[in-house]
Amino acid sequence: DAKTTQPPSMDCAEGRAANLPCNHSTISGNEYVYWYRQIHSQGPQYIIHGLKNNETNEMASLIITEDRKSSTLILPHATLRDTAVYYCIVRVQSNDYKLSFGAGTTVTVRA
Amino acid sequence: GAVVSQHPSRVICKSGTSVKIECRSLDFQATTMFWYRQFPKQSLMLMATSNEGSKATYEQGVEKDKFLINHASLTLSTLTVTSAHPEDSSFYICSARDRINYGYTFGSGTRLTVV
Repeated sequence: DAKTTQPPSMDCAEGRAANLPCNHSTISGNEYVYWYRQIHSQGPQYIIHGLKNNETNEMASLIITEDRKSSTLILPHATLRDTAVYYCIVRVQSNDYKLSFGAGTTVTVRA
Repeated sequence: GAVVSQHPSRVICKSGTSVKIECRSLDFQATTMFWYRQFPKQSLMLMATSNEGSKATYEQGVEKDKFLINHASLTLSTLTVTSAHPEDSSFYICSARDRINYGYTFGSGTRLTVV
């Protein structure tokens, strides 16, 4: 599986956009980019995923570079409830895959 | 959306006793469920993969006789921590993979404290 690299932590101001980078330079053609987040003492929550096109849903936007070696998760208007650990994971969509988590980025939204 | 129910959310048990944690997929079928453990300030660590109707497969270093996994139906997997010790105190999280779209949904976790 392609390894991902994320900054260990970042702060952002409430109401502003939060841009979370992820590097996945060894990603394969059939691997998707997934983002999850884990709010303290809860199970991880799915945010968004994409293959090569940019994606947007009610929670966030995902921007994937043309060469697919990196991506950015955008929380358009961060709130205090968005404080969490955010995990970027690359994976294939198959029946044999086991989801593994790296260290993620601890995002702290400040008032 | 998909929902996974995990119970109990918190449990305190005495050293030497066993604790069972349940994980149910409420609105989808999951032939495969996963069990993770998370220690404070660390990431999730995969313990085992639970397959409906067959034996679980354990990650290296996880004792299969201590962490008993049963996946008797397409919507239910259980993890039993046998002869629990204080070092087993941790946050246990299950995940169910939808057999149709391969999406992963996580339970809310179980905080186990062994005293």
